[in-house]
Amino acid sequence: QSVLTQPPSVSGAPGQRVTISCTGSSSNIGNYDVHWYQQLPGTAPKLLIYSNKYRPSGVSDRFSGSKSGTSASLAITGLQAEDEADYYCQSHDNSLSGVIFGGGTKLTVL
Amino acid sequence: QITLKESGPTLVKSTQTLTLTCTFSGFSLSTYGVGVGWVRQPPGKALEWLALLYWDEDKRYRPSLKNRLNITHDTSRNQVVLTMTNMDPVDTATYYCVSRSNILAFFDDWGQGTLVTVSS
Repeated sequence: QSVLTQPPSVSGAPGQRVTISCTGSSSNIGNYDVHWYQQLPGTAPKLLIYSNKYRPSGVSDRFSGSKSGTSASLAITGLQAEDEADYYCQSHDNSLSGVIFGGGTKLTVL
Repeated sequence: QITLKESGPTLVKSTQTLTLTCTFSGFSLSTYGVGVGWVRQPPGKALEWLALLYWDEDKRYRPSLKNRLNITHDTSRNQVVLTMTNMDPVDTATYYCVSRSNILAFFDDWGQGTLVTVSS
């Protein structure tokens, strides 16, 4: 069981907006940044959002991140078929003294 | 352009030691803030961080696997090597080499991954 909790799955129709939550605690999200990765089927994960809300160069502005207290969220607007993938949040945990990932969320575009 | 490529055996037997090599280019592990590490993903499951080697030679390991892991840097070859002892079928996974380009704790770049199967 992951230290960071994500919903196993979310879905939405093309053009819609979906959000993926990532819930932690004061030993991780409450005091450290959250980062998000997208893993398309059969490929390696790719950095999508870093330091809670920043997009690396080349990432569509349809993706946005936010953090409040011990939770973070990834929002995807204007949903497209190509967004169908697994999404993972990541942070640092002070108690575990290391990197932690969420359990991942599978996004299905209906 | 940063590249990371994993190499190593695709099949190991229970109790054996796994040795994986990450050959990287496009950056220096001597640069302040840079780190190279390993993340694995069992089939159909979530990502699990394993180990990280920092620019200053500091090393961090997943606490539950700390006794089985060792990460080293071959400076002459731009390679980072991960060894994992006493392999078990539950260690079957795709192993990714990852890098971070600065002091912020995210992984900018990922290798393509290598699937390692552990047979009993």
